Amino acid sequence: AQKITQTQPGMFVQEKEAVTLDCTYDTSDPSYGLFWYKQPSSGEMIFLIYQGSYDQQNATEGRYSLNFQKARKSANLVISASQLGDSAMYFCAMREGDSGGGADGLTFGKGTHLIIQP
Amino acid sequence: GAGVSQSPSNKVTEKGKDVELRCDPISGHTALYWYRQSLGQGLEFLIYFQGNSAPDKSGLPSDRFSAERTGGSVSTLTIQRTQQEDSAVYLCASSLAPFFRVNTEAFFGQGTRLTVV
Repeated sequence: AQKITQTQPGMFVQEKEAVTLDCTYDTSDPSYGLFWYKQPSSGEMIFLIYQGSYDQQNATEGRYSLNFQKARKSANLVISASQLGDSAMYFCAMREGDSGGGADGLTFGKGTHLIIQP
Repeated sequence: GAGVSQSPSNKVTEKGKDVELRCDPISGHTALYWYRQSLGQGLEFLIYFQGNSAPDKSGLPSDRFSAERTGGSVSTLTIQRTQQEDSAVYLCASSLAPFFRVNTEAFFGQGTRLTVV
């Protein structure tokens, strides 16, 4: 079974609208971390937001927020007031266990290609 | 295989030694990317191959890093004279087409954890 599932291969959204990118995960480890990355056409992977499994509140970073629903094993990324520059691939990822850092066994989803239309 | 395969999964090496990391992409995938993730940081883009050519080498952090891809398939990332700051997880990804094409799915390997002691 896939550990990270992103069901939307592509999305078209009107500029200035909010967009939700879906991510569900599968793990039996009580300690884990969830990440979202953005990959523009330049190829680099840009870290957006992180949610720890024990965090009580949903993570927020500027226009990005993570809708963390632990019981449903869901970690959707919400982008408010979308901009043309948000067009990119978005990857959800998970790290299982408590490694204390980001360099340990990341599992990535297949990604969602987001296109913002003017 | 069904997915992107990277080897070795773990590598411990002494400072100053050379290391070679291997990536076997999904069959038929023309685009191949290398990234690394250092402790506590996000992913860092290293290099991108389209077929056997690497149009973008700008991400390689120093001239100690090099990569090649032969036959449009397997790629190797070589780090010469390793330093402790090279310790990281090195991730490889492949896709049927460059990532910026619509509806292109990207598939990542599980990475090679490199530790330089």
